[in-house]
Amino acid sequence: NAGVTQTPKFRILKIGQSMTLQCTQDMNHNYMYWYRQDPGMGLKLIYYSVGAGITDKGEVPNGYNVSRSTTEDFPLRLELAAPSQTSVYFCASSYKPGPGLSSAFFGQGTRLTVV
Amino acid sequence: DQQVKQNSPSLSVQEGRISILNCDYTNSMFDYFLWYKKYPAEGPTFLISISSIKDKNEDGRFTVFLNKSAKHLSLHIVPSQPGDSAVYFCAASDRSGDKLTFGTGTRLAVRP
Repeated sequence: NAGVTQTPKFRILKIGQSMTLQCTQDMNHNYMYWYRQDPGMGLKLIYYSVGAGITDKGEVPNGYNVSRSTTEDFPLRLELAAPSQTSVYFCASSYKPGPGLSSAFFGQGTRLTVV
Repeated sequence: DQQVKQNSPSLSVQEGRISILNCDYTNSMFDYFLWYKKYPAEGPTFLISISSIKDKNEDGRFTVFLNKSAKHLSLHIVPSQPGDSAVYFCAASDRSGDKLTFGTGTRLAVRP
């Protein structure tokens, strides 16, 4: 019972490099999210998706891109890494049959350092 | 603009006593509220939730209270156990439930 799986768990990037954070879920959830958590701060929403082929910006989308070609996968792309993107990144998913409350299941996180 | 605020970054409680974690919000469009618990090196896990049509929701040792007029909610843990030591995040969403806005978290330490 894997739930939400994120890879890698840790990564160090140089300024200007690019990388993709992978996220996959096996619960057939329609909603998926990417959050970042900076030290002493709450989780900020980067992007989210309400289903395959549909993505939308959250609070802090600048410097990131996403795609959702399948229900299971929701990769997050950093094109030109900057020190400000040093953070812990969490992917989450939830099942929402309609409007209303839906608790999200989170992955274990990816700790990214940009130097 | 922090729409969900947890003003106490940390809380220390004796085992067996009550832990009370507080959360304030500013957005009157928020309709649903959740509490998440987070251990180090793990993702947050859902703990308990409440809809704005209620003022209380209980699940075992955990109770969430909502005061809509004051835009305030609290999480009560009774009795507190050492395994409850973690960071607790308050989160809120509007009626659509599409997005969650998180607070900054409160680190709870339960002393044996």
